[in-house]
Amino acid sequence: QKEVEQNSGPLSVPEGAIASLNCTYSDRVSQSFFWYRQYSGKSPELIMSIYSNGDKEDGRFTAQLNKASQYVSLLIRDSQPSDSATYLCAVKGSNDYKLSFGAGTTVTVRA
Amino acid sequence: DAGITQSPRHKVTETGTPVTLRCHQTENHRYMYWYRQDPGHGLRLIHYSYGVKDTDKGEVSDGYSVSRSKTEDFLLTLESATSSQTSVYFCAISEPGRQNIQYFGAGTRLSVL
Repeated sequence: QKEVEQNSGPLSVPEGAIASLNCTYSDRVSQSFFWYRQYSGKSPELIMSIYSNGDKEDGRFTAQLNKASQYVSLLIRDSQPSDSATYLCAVKGSNDYKLSFGAGTTVTVRA
Repeated sequence: DAGITQSPRHKVTETGTPVTLRCHQTENHRYMYWYRQDPGHGLRLIHYSYGVKDTDKGEVSDGYSVSRSKTEDFLLTLESATSSQTSVYFCAISEPGRQNIQYFGAGTRLSVL
């Protein structure tokens, strides 16, 4: 079983809709969770971090964490063509500073 | 790219030749990482460093070595490049602490023919 798994995609949504991305992780003691966005041919950039159960909102992005279910999600509201990218889920365990990444979900927003 | 410079940005080399990729940071961050990214695999950790001369292996370290003689520089060496090492290589940096937010360089696209 992979440490971090994401819905495989690709995910295609119309402009203005909500894109929902899911991520599950296997290490029950993981403490920190991140979403990175990666445009084609570019490097990953951090868009959200979340450490406690519940929701965290930043502009059109909402991260949701449920440690009991070992699940973290990212919602993109009012999706824009500029949101078209691959989104990477990353998880930090409790004992070190390394991150484990999922394979990524590619999102395409249709104008 | 958060004060991180990777060089070269693109390289084409032949099987069996040595290759060194450089990561240079101006942020004075303690931790540095080398990842490779391949389709369907996301980012996989090759090696990382937690200080000058302090390095350790990641999940895909076979065929790679690293060195860190200064805080700002982290070198990744392929002693004898193979076609399976064709990939995009990213360097990242972070500071210790709960956040451990990693910032990435622009990447190096390596082709081994």
